[in-house]
Amino acid sequence: DTGVSQDPRHKITKRGQNVTFRCDPISEHNRLYWYRQTLGQGPEFLTYFQNEAQLEKSRLLSDRFSAERPKGSFSTLEIQRTEQGDSAMYLCASIEGDTGELFFGEGSRLTVL
Amino acid sequence: EDQVTQSPEALRLQEGESSSLNCSYTVSGLRGLFWYRQDPGKGPEFLFTLYSAGEEKEKERLKATLTKKESFLHITAPKPEDSATYLCAVRDYGGATNKLIFGTGTLLAVQP
Repeated sequence: DTGVSQDPRHKITKRGQNVTFRCDPISEHNRLYWYRQTLGQGPEFLTYFQNEAQLEKSRLLSDRFSAERPKGSFSTLEIQRTEQGDSAMYLCASIEGDTGELFFGEGSRLTVL
Repeated sequence: EDQVTQSPEALRLQEGESSSLNCSYTVSGLRGLFWYRQDPGKGPEFLFTLYSAGEEKEKERLKATLTKKESFLHITAPKPEDSATYLCAVRDYGGATNKLIFGTGTLLAVQP
């Protein structure tokens, strides 16, 4: 396994369209996080999965955002009715145990026109 | 609420010019202070974890230290390939998710 994989790497969409990002974590990692990062800022927590259970969602995650992790494997993050303020890098990270040493993917960069 | 503040926002060094980056934190109880490196257009890459005041970790030209209120990332004789954004984070104390709370980072540029 070569690490956390995210797809697509780049997405350009028009305001109001829906977009979906996929994350494939390291295979033995049961914990998965989504973060959002805008230019000049650090990553901000969006949501957390332990296996298939979504255990926490940030207040940043409005009703237009939904995340899933069916069967505790890959995860998807969907944004409905995109807005220009959604433009950001969406990062996925996974971890096996409780060390806090996250393994991040390369990210999916979203540009909303 | 847990908070992380990094300084400076940006730092430009000449190759071989040593310096330090600062990370100040406010937490209910420290469960780990983390340093990550992030190259442009990439996800953060883990560098160090520190758990208690006085602890130090080293990796090549980097050394991370921790006090009760702040952490320093010392860069000795940097090379151009050390240019990146360095992020500091603490683990959220109150939740069960162990999520990390990041600072805004220090953008380091090392000129040859």
